[in-house]
Amino acid sequence: NAGVTQTPKFQVLKTGQSMTLQCAQDMNHEYMSWYRQDPGMGLRLIHYSVGAGITDQGEVPNGYNVSRSTTEDFPLRLLSAAPSQTSVYFCASSYELTDTQYFGPGTRLTVL
Amino acid sequence: DQQVKQNSPSLSVQEGRISILNCDYTNSMFDYFLWYKKYPAEGPTFLISISSIKDKNEDGRFTVFLNKSAKHLSLHIVPSQPGDSAVYFCAASATGAGKSTFGDGTTLTVKP
Repeated sequence: NAGVTQTPKFQVLKTGQSMTLQCAQDMNHEYMSWYRQDPGMGLRLIHYSVGAGITDQGEVPNGYNVSRSTTEDFPLRLLSAAPSQTSVYFCASSYELTDTQYFGPGTRLTVL
Repeated sequence: DQQVKQNSPSLSVQEGRISILNCDYTNSMFDYFLWYKKYPAEGPTFLISISSIKDKNEDGRFTVFLNKSAKHLSLHIVPSQPGDSAVYFCAASATGAGKSTFGDGTTLTVKP
């Protein structure tokens, strides 16, 4: 099993550009989440999904969109990148939302 | 309002000694607590958890203690090893809430 994979590992964007961060898991987990981690801070929940076709907002959803068309994939879209979105983004999956989460390696995003 | 707090940003201990990492929470609805460990440039990995029906859970060198009345939990690592040097995140969740809340993390350095 590859677990949770994320692409790309690094990305530099200009303000106003859009992009999609990819996340996939092969553990057949129903629950998937996106977090961002800023320096010196913990993980803040952006969006999460309890199954294919179902998504909900976390603590910091503004500026991000998600969709869940399959159990395996949960892409995160930045609609119009802003410097405040410079962060490390982690995708996670779990059997239950409050259960142990398995994290991907992260995507380090810089918005200039 | 930060519901999960790790008040010590960093901790340094000597190899072989005990490391004690602390976590406080404010939401009395939290009933499940987890510790994650994170190395640089990697995603967090699950370390140990505890349910609110217990006050202690042990796994090898790692023990988590929960004091519900004080809304406090701690992670003990005995004996500490240089490979334990990492950032440790405390997380808490409430049944039915649908998500976990993370603290800001404590950077542990174990000196040889």
